[in-house]
Amino acid sequence: ETGVTQTPRHLVMGMTNKKSLKCEQHLGHNAMYWYKQSAKKPLELMFVYSLEERVENNSVPSRFSPECPNSSHLFLHLHTLQPEDSALYLCASSQDMKTQYFGPGTRLLVL
Amino acid sequence: GEDVEQSLFLSVREGDSSVINCTYTDSSSTYLYWYKQEPGAGLQLLTYIFSNMDMKQDQRLTVLLNKKDKHLSLRIADTQTGDSAIYFCAEIGDSSASKIIFGSGTRLSIRP
Repeated sequence: ETGVTQTPRHLVMGMTNKKSLKCEQHLGHNAMYWYKQSAKKPLELMFVYSLEERVENNSVPSRFSPECPNSSHLFLHLHTLQPEDSALYLCASSQDMKTQYFGPGTRLLVL
Repeated sequence: GEDVEQSLFLSVREGDSSVINCTYTDSSSTYLYWYKQEPGAGLQLLTYIFSNMDMKQDQRLTVLLNKKDKHLSLRIADTQTGDSAIYFCAEIGDSSASKIIFGSGTRLSIRP
């Protein structure tokens, strides 16, 4: 256990569905991250929140919408996804944007 | 931009030592990391080293840093089947705006 939890662990959704991924950290950190990990591709940083403000948004399509209501929780809202969005979505947290601790990930399949 | 490179695959016989290598370009690196990812799981922080150190040992793991050549290695002694995973090298610079940069990962497989 790293102190970072993610739910659900697995998700299957159709292209017209709306779903949300949840991440919670119990480490008292002040920064949280979303990454996408696809087969045969490097880890892609999607969003970074520091002190609950978004500080990074790496040209991610608008069908992915992050939300950080407080320093312990991070959501990724999904709508009208495409099959190529199927991947492992990883959440991480850190203190002062340094060493990152990862959650177990949500395996997403878009049909 | 800054870059971290690793070889993609390594195959080692059980009981031998594994050495996973990594090179990076950021001359202002402060922390360098090794993460382990088992199938279907997230990235687990294995160990890290400060840039002012040249070696760190933790049980079966030895990290060597050659700052002049910007080369980092992870040695796993007495490699076991449970060490089968993807190992990611990563680094972060010294400014508050620095982002952690990950390598593409090295897949370690263990032969009986």
